[in-house]
Amino acid sequence: EVQLVESGGGLVQPGGSLRLSCAASGFTFSSYFMHWVRQAPGKGLVWVSRIHADGSSATYADSVKGRFTISRDSAKNTLYLQMDGLRGDDEAVYYCGRAPRNYYGMDVWGQGTTVTVSS
Amino acid sequence: QSALTQPPSVSGSPGQSVTISCTGTSSDVGSYNRVSWYQQPPGTAPKLMIYEVSNRPSGVPDRFSGSKSGNTASLTISGLQAEDESDYYCSSYTSSSTYVFGTGTKVTVL
Repeated sequence: EVQLVESGGGLVQPGGSLRLSCAASGFTFSSYFMHWVRQAPGKGLVWVSRIHADGSSATYADSVKGRFTISRDSAKNTLYLQMDGLRGDDEAVYYCGRAPRNYYGMDVWGQGTTVTVSS
Repeated sequence: QSALTQPPSVSGSPGQSVTISCTGTSSDVGSYNRVSWYQQPPGTAPKLMIYEVSNRPSGVPDRFSGSKSGNTASLTISGLQAEDESDYYCSSYTSSSTYVFGTGTKVTVL
């Protein structure tokens, strides 16, 4: 079964750091681009970051550039999001999504992990 | 990057058709056939319904269709069913090599 499972969310103080993980199974992880998307409580989806299938390049939303770092470990079939300098407006459910090489769209999503930023 | 503009809500009776618009700019929707649509029932993860403007992934009913004209993409649900009641989001690739989502539309089946 194709599956993505996020973990690592939790409560963090403003200015703090957190690393999210997204464990992939049931498919060839190294063949897919991967994304992070977030959703604040009661709000819409917001794209955060994307990493190339081979990890060679990444892009970020302006709101997280310089604070968040996306990475992947093909040996562990895991995607990561290192979040530093967290702010209140980073509070959200964070989803990872799979994107095939041959078309634009995220065809598999995880269930999400919640990040709460509060003192 | 500003969010793509969608109507907050649309509604229709069972069997009717509804269309959701998604308006961007010449830097995103207008320049690329890289618009996708997602369905998100409350409390669940999004599901891909349409990719690259008008293509349906396997398993998505053919009553869902997509199109684009200029800077505006559209999702049409024909033969509306109770199970289609959900939030829907569009997304587009941008000229900055990033992505942007729409503001979201709640579809209500009357």
